[in-house]
Amino acid sequence: SYELTQPPSVSVSPGQTATITCSGDELGDKYVDWYQQKPGQSPVLVIYKDSERPSGIPERFSGSNSGDTATLTIRGTRAVDEADYYCQAWATTLVFGGGTRLTVL
Amino acid sequence: QLQLQESGPGLVTSSENMSLTCTVTGDSVSIRGYFWGWVRQPPGKGLEWIASMFHTGTTFYNPSLKSRVTIAEDTSKNQFSLKVTSVTATDTAVYYCARHKGGELRAFDLWGQGTMVIVS
Repeated sequence: SYELTQPPSVSVSPGQTATITCSGDELGDKYVDWYQQKPGQSPVLVIYKDSERPSGIPERFSGSNSGDTATLTIRGTRAVDEADYYCQAWATTLVFGGGTRLTVL
Repeated sequence: QLQLQESGPGLVTSSENMSLTCTVTGDSVSIRGYFWGWVRQPPGKGLEWIASMFHTGTTFYNPSLKSRVTIAEDTSKNQFSLKVTSVTATDTAVYYCARHKGGELRAFDLWGQGTMVIVS
């Protein structure tokens, strides 16, 4: 079965750039979506189709996907961005990555 | 404004079956024209896709759960449901219903608040 691998945790200082990766076999051939989930809340779509931002998502969120790795980038990270982030792709079945906890120190 | 609301049993006894319902509400809303799905999240763990469907009845299942789950629609009530058979403790989770964005079987752009199911 297809797997998406994310680092369990990423730390970043306020104002800096956070980078969260998602790895999978030939992932660049698939569309990747990203979700933000804060404690006790439902997931929120922050990036779809690799790099598209839904309405209402701040411009500091961006995404890319090439080769075996997709990347979610948060520029000018704020304390409010502290959350769990999940990547997702369709590979004959819908798959989520294991999630990355972003800590803003 | 489109909203999704899950309802479920809360507590289920191991080996029994359970059913969850997602009600879609909002002005001029219909479940037609979109894919809809279910995702669950065990306590302290990540997201797991369960199943999705189109209003025509076309269904897609997570292979690891396919033998025990059924997703179905009731367009007259603007609802869709999930039935899980022979539950075990590993089915304990928050169950979310969600809409796939733009009529494609990809990103989920709208989510319900989730309903917790505990299997005892």
